Amino acid sequence: QSVLTQPPSVSGTPGQRVTISCSGSSSNIGFNSVFWYKQLPGTAPELLIYRNNQRPSGVPDRFSGSKSGTSASLAISGLRSEDEADYYCTSWDDSLSGHVVFGGGTKLTVL
Amino acid sequence: QVQLVQSGAEVKKPGASVKVSCKASGYTFSDYYVHWVRQAPGQGLEWMGRINPNRGGTNYARKFYGRVTLTRDTSNGTAYMELSNLTSDDTALYYCARDVGYSSVGFGHFDLWGRGTLVTVSS
Repeated sequence: QSVLTQPPSVSGTPGQRVTISCSGSSSNIGFNSVFWYKQLPGTAPELLIYRNNQRPSGVPDRFSGSKSGTSASLAISGLRSEDEADYYCTSWDDSLSGHVVFGGGTKLTVL
Repeated sequence: QVQLVQSGAEVKKPGASVKVSCKASGYTFSDYYVHWVRQAPGQGLEWMGRINPNRGGTNYARKFYGRVTLTRDTSNGTAYMELSNLTSDDTALYYCARDVGYSSVGFGHFDLWGRGTLVTVSS
C-alpha cells in the first residue's frame, strides 16, 4: 500500500478536463514539494510538474499542479489521446531519516 | 549529451545478488543525488534509496534495509545498486534517476532517468 493515495484510474473524452488527486500527510506533502510524473508503457517516467505547480520546459500548459495542506492535484485540460498514460505523484517524507514516497499511480484513459 | 546509461538485463537465481550500474554523462556527477526506483511487472513505482555522489552518504527505504547497498565511483561518474538475497518478488525494472531537488524545497525532483535495467529472478 502506497504512502500517497491516488485513484487507480480516471477517464475523460478528448477536450475534457480531468484531475488526479494525491493525498498524503504532514510528514510528506504537508511540508515538502510534490512532483508529478507521466509514464507511457515501456518507457521511463518523465517529469511533468515540479515543486507543486511548476512545469519543466516542453510540458504544455494544459498540465497544472496544485497543493493544499496534505493533498495535491494534477489537472489536465483539453484532453488529448496522447495523454493516456500512468501518472504518479511523489514527495519527500521526513520520517525515518527521510525517504521518497510515491503514489500508487493513476491510469488515465482517454475515451 | 546529458544522460544516465544503465547496465544490461540480468537473470539471477533465488538467493543470489545483482549489481546494476548507472553511468552519468554530460553533467557533473557529484552535484546531484542519484536515486534508485524499481517497478515490478504491471505495478507502480517503488523507491529504494539514494546516494549523495559527493560524500557517499545514503538513505534506504525501510523495506530494503540490509539487502540493498548503494555505492558510487566518482572517478568514472557511475552509481551502483546491489541487491542481495533475491527472490522472485525482486523481478522488476530498476531505474536510476538524477534528483535536482534540495532540502529547502524537497527531494524527488527527478529530471533525468536511465532507461531501466530488467532483473529477472528465476530458478
